[in-house]
Amino acid sequence: NAGVTQTPKFRILKIGQSMTLQCTQDMNHNYMYWYRQDPGMGLKLIYYSVGAGITDKGEVPNGYNVSRSTTEDFPLRLELAAPSQTSVYFCASRLGQTGVGTQYFGPGTRLTVL
Amino acid sequence: KQEVTQIPAALSVPEGENLVLNCSFTDSAIYNLQWFRQDPGKGLTSLLLIQSSQREQTSGRLNASLDKSSGRSTLYIAASQPGDSATYLCAVRPNTNAGKSTFGDGTTLTVKP
Repeated sequence: NAGVTQTPKFRILKIGQSMTLQCTQDMNHNYMYWYRQDPGMGLKLIYYSVGAGITDKGEVPNGYNVSRSTTEDFPLRLELAAPSQTSVYFCASRLGQTGVGTQYFGPGTRLTVL
Repeated sequence: KQEVTQIPAALSVPEGENLVLNCSFTDSAIYNLQWFRQDPGKGLTSLLLIQSSQREQTSGRLNASLDKSSGRSTLYIAASQPGDSATYLCAVRPNTNAGKSTFGDGTTLTVKP
């Protein structure tokens, strides 16, 4: 059981470049999330999705975009990378319509923008 | 806006000690609270989840309590071991919006042999 997988594990971007962070879960969870974690800090929610075709902004959505065409996949797109987007990005998923259920996290993508 | 605070930011104890990690939140209208463990360079692993109707949850040497009225949760670790060294984060999910958890900044625990 793979759980939540993320690719790539590491990436270095130049300012202005674009990239997509991939996230896949095989647990048939309807809720999926993208967080960023800056050094020594907790996680801040970027975007989330309550099911295929439905996404919504979190606390820090600027500079990012998401899509959710399937239950399994929830890619995060950075269009014009900036140094402020240097961070570790975590994808998570959970099952449940009403808030019950544990969040399961992927291993993270460490992104550096130079 | 919900704010979650974890104090202290770092804690160092000798092996074998019992210890308590604290998590406080400003809005008591929560649906549940979850404690996670994060090892350096790794993702988050769920330890315990407490629903708002519950007072505590236990798993092995870990016990998490919840006092909604005072906006506090504690994670008790019994007989600490060097393998417990990690960062511990708490996350609060509100009952007004099931999607958005708020995380604390974590407590980094070091257990010395």
